Amino acid sequence: GQNIDQPTEMTATEGAIVQINCTYQTSGFNGLFWYQQHAGEAPTFLSYNVLDGLEEKGRFSSFLSRSKGYSYLLLKELQMKDSASYLCAVGGSQGNLIFGKGTKLSVKP
Amino acid sequence: GAVVSQHPSWVICKSGTSVKIECRSLDFQATTMFWYRQFPKKSLMLMATSNEGSKATYEQGVEKDKFLINHASLTLSTLTVTSAHPEDSSFYICSAKSKWYEQYFGPGTRLTVT
Repeated sequence: GQNIDQPTEMTATEGAIVQINCTYQTSGFNGLFWYQQHAGEAPTFLSYNVLDGLEEKGRFSSFLSRSKGYSYLLLKELQMKDSASYLCAVGGSQGNLIFGKGTKLSVKP
Repeated sequence: GAVVSQHPSWVICKSGTSVKIECRSLDFQATTMFWYRQFPKKSLMLMATSNEGSKATYEQGVEKDKFLINHASLTLSTLTVTSAHPEDSSFYICSAKSKWYEQYFGPGTRLTVT
């Protein structure tokens, strides 16, 4: 079966750091993706991990541990515009993406 | 980055009618496009995988006769919702692969069936 878990909601303060965790149990694995989705809009690509370790891209970093079925997205120096849903997704065997339910992040002043 | 467009952005139709949604990759060729559906406050659910020049592969529970997919060229895939009902009201999003791992999403089409 396919199971991707991430917290439903998180709240953080502007300028702070927040970590969004994701655990997965899937029949196949072709990488771990993170997408950002603002309400009413399509997801936008943030990061891709296929090997264990940390990938850093500006204020955003993503970590993967394949043995633990675990990933996190780290957002630094939070800005109000970072308020959005963050979707964890596993790459499927057909090139598709299997999404978690998303974590709604609210950034407060 | 790669650009994917969808048309229309939103559509309101009456129950029983059909609606066609277009998905285009504007600056790259996509041999594979995906169609997702997202209900309010829910995650994206894959409906079908569309391969250029061949029949689409539908996910379990998705009616292929109701959701017709045509991938006529390397830059265009269409989804037709036939005999739409209010429960088909949703946010339909397509994506296209530019590299083996990257998918780019269209802006989505919000369908409301009255």
